Amino acid sequence: ETGVTQTPRHLVMGMTNKKSLKCEQHLGHNAMYWYKQSAKKPLELMFVYNFKEQTENNSVPSRFSPECPNSSHLFLHLHTLQPEDSALYLCASSPAAADTQYFGPGTRLTVL
Amino acid sequence: AQSVTQPDIHITVSEGASLELRCNYSYGATPYLFWYVQSPGQGLQLLLKYFSGDTLVQGIKGFEAEFKRSQSSFNLRKPSVHWSDAAEYFCAVGSNAGNNRKLIWGLGTSLAVNP
Repeated sequence: ETGVTQTPRHLVMGMTNKKSLKCEQHLGHNAMYWYKQSAKKPLELMFVYNFKEQTENNSVPSRFSPECPNSSHLFLHLHTLQPEDSALYLCASSPAAADTQYFGPGTRLTVL
Repeated sequence: AQSVTQPDIHITVSEGASLELRCNYSYGATPYLFWYVQSPGQGLQLLLKYFSGDTLVQGIKGFEAEFKRSQSSFNLRKPSVHWSDAAEYFCAVGSNAGNNRKLIWGLGTSLAVNP
């Protein structure tokens, strides 16, 4: 499989559930990103990892918890979410932190 | 303040017609500029980018964009639109400052193509 993959593609969860989003990049990149895409808003950068180290947390609520076990995998752990967290969550990677970003297909999250 | 403006929220063109999507930016440093396209239910695909050099940049799918520093613009063009070009188009600007290229994104332009 090539490029950036994300699973699941769709997720419906209740406010008390705990779930995780997974991102995997097959490009040999060293930087990975989580974005939130909501209707009528610019793309929001959430987290940046560079060589497995978190280098950016854009004031994201603690109910979102990222994990980067290696340069190829990125997770976003979700717990006690709110309905306003419903959005498309996009993962991206780049060769280095200052390079062009390549995106996965996203996970459409609905919080009931 | 740093910002990216895509003045057209929605554009409809006929298949075979030419296309220009506008992007204006406000950025203090020398900008790096990107156009991405997003089809329904998909992630963002890089169309083209400008870092330096020739201000007319060629991308995939027959798209091109021209960087005009004096106008703070990076408009996307295509001479003949295909029905498969219907999608959402995003302009982004970033810099090489520090270790992260934080991209500032426009709100997007939704393109519809009439047969």
